[in-house]
Amino acid sequence: KQEVTQIPAALSVPEGENLVLNCSFTDSAIYNLQWFRQDPGKGLTSLLLIQSSQREQTSGRLNASLDKSSGRSTLYIAASQPGDSATYLCAVPNSGGSNYKLTFGKGTLLTVNP
Amino acid sequence: EAGVAQSPRYKIIEKRQSVAFWCNPISGHATLYWYQQILGQGPKLLIQFQNNGVVDDSQLPKDRFSAERLKGVDSTLKIQPAKLEDSAVYLCASSLGLAGGLATGELFFGEGSRLTVL
Repeated sequence: KQEVTQIPAALSVPEGENLVLNCSFTDSAIYNLQWFRQDPGKGLTSLLLIQSSQREQTSGRLNASLDKSSGRSTLYIAASQPGDSATYLCAVPNSGGSNYKLTFGKGTLLTVNP
Repeated sequence: EAGVAQSPRYKIIEKRQSVAFWCNPISGHATLYWYQQILGQGPKLLIQFQNNGVVDDSQLPKDRFSAERLKGVDSTLKIQPAKLEDSAVYLCASSLGLAGGLATGELFFGEGSRLTVL
């Protein structure tokens, strides 16, 4: 059974700082990995999806890396802003095919202080 | 492009009452998921549909939860009777699903329906 762990559970940083969020998973035979953002009281917004054949994916100030062999992914946020404050979740699928479904970590609550 | 629509956004009921949530996925998305997210936890899959068929409902408490996706588009999730521990946000997500035999994986989520059971 796939298990996803995110460290740290919470992180508070001053504005402008670069930061890294960590995600680890127990079954390295993944199809891809997806990072989400969740604002309080809101649904999940997809940030980045990394296919298993890729090592990293970038979108603006966000860079996600994937190391399948070690069962790890990191989300790097450059020059953090107060608007980045949210919970960040990573998720991996159990397999491809028709029974494709995601297992989520508990998330990292990020607070960026002005 | 319209996103995943859910309603109601908020619902407060007393235990043993019933409640229903509705979801309209992104147009053309074959796969629809219902997730339950308890405060402080990551979302947990309740049920997955491929078109109007159930792919996985192994974690759905079938004694009180039911879901359907008639005509392979909209879906309804029902809880009857509700318990205190059902207080959570119910998230609906959709994805393109199978394309050429391979799952196109990216999931898109709605805003969620927050349920409080008193």
